Amino acid sequence: DAKTTQPPSMDCAEGRAANLPCNHSTISGNEYVYWYRQIHSQGPQYIIHGLKNNETNEMASLIITEDRKSSTLILPHATLRDTAVYYCIVGRKIYNQGGKLIFGQGTELSVKP
Amino acid sequence: GAGVSQSPSNKVTEKGKDVELRCDPISGHTALYWYRQSLGQGLEFLIYFQGNSAPDKSGLPSDRFSAERTGGSVSTLTIQRTQQEDSAVYLCASSWLAGGRGNEQFFGPGTRLTVL
Repeated sequence: DAKTTQPPSMDCAEGRAANLPCNHSTISGNEYVYWYRQIHSQGPQYIIHGLKNNETNEMASLIITEDRKSSTLILPHATLRDTAVYYCIVGRKIYNQGGKLIFGQGTELSVKP
Repeated sequence: GAGVSQSPSNKVTEKGKDVELRCDPISGHTALYWYRQSLGQGLEFLIYFQGNSAPDKSGLPSDRFSAERTGGSVSTLTIQRTQQEDSAVYLCASSWLAGGRGNEQFFGPGTRLTVL
């Protein structure tokens, strides 16, 4: 599975957009990009995933570069509750191929008032 | 609806004792995963169950660790002869289909294990 590189920490002002980058230069053609977050003392929470097209849901947007070597998770209007560690993970989405997630160190996002 | 539940929420044990950690996945989810998170460490995959297939045990750190899933639902992670380095938060997750639905795994709150 491809590895990812994320900045260890970022700050964001409340109400502003938080843009979290992720590099995955060794991603292969059948691998998706997933984002999870972990709020302190809780289990991880799924946010969004994508293959090559940009994706948006009620939580966030995911922008994947055309060469798929990097992506950005966008929280459009960050709140204090978005303070968490954000994990970018790449992995396959094939039924019965094993769905284990390989977590890196993630980005610790601090949203400040 | 009910999410993934785990019990106990906290467990303190003495070195050398055996412990059992329980996970109740979301009803109907066919895949179940165990991870652990040590202090200051990232999340580490332990084992994965999918339907009636043989489990993926590739993440278990030693033969002191084992897990079973009875009736395709509840799972128990057993650690024999616990060591201090086993202290961690043990997280269980479930998903609808292995690799399906974008590999959206739903995590429980975890069991914090402390080995004295």
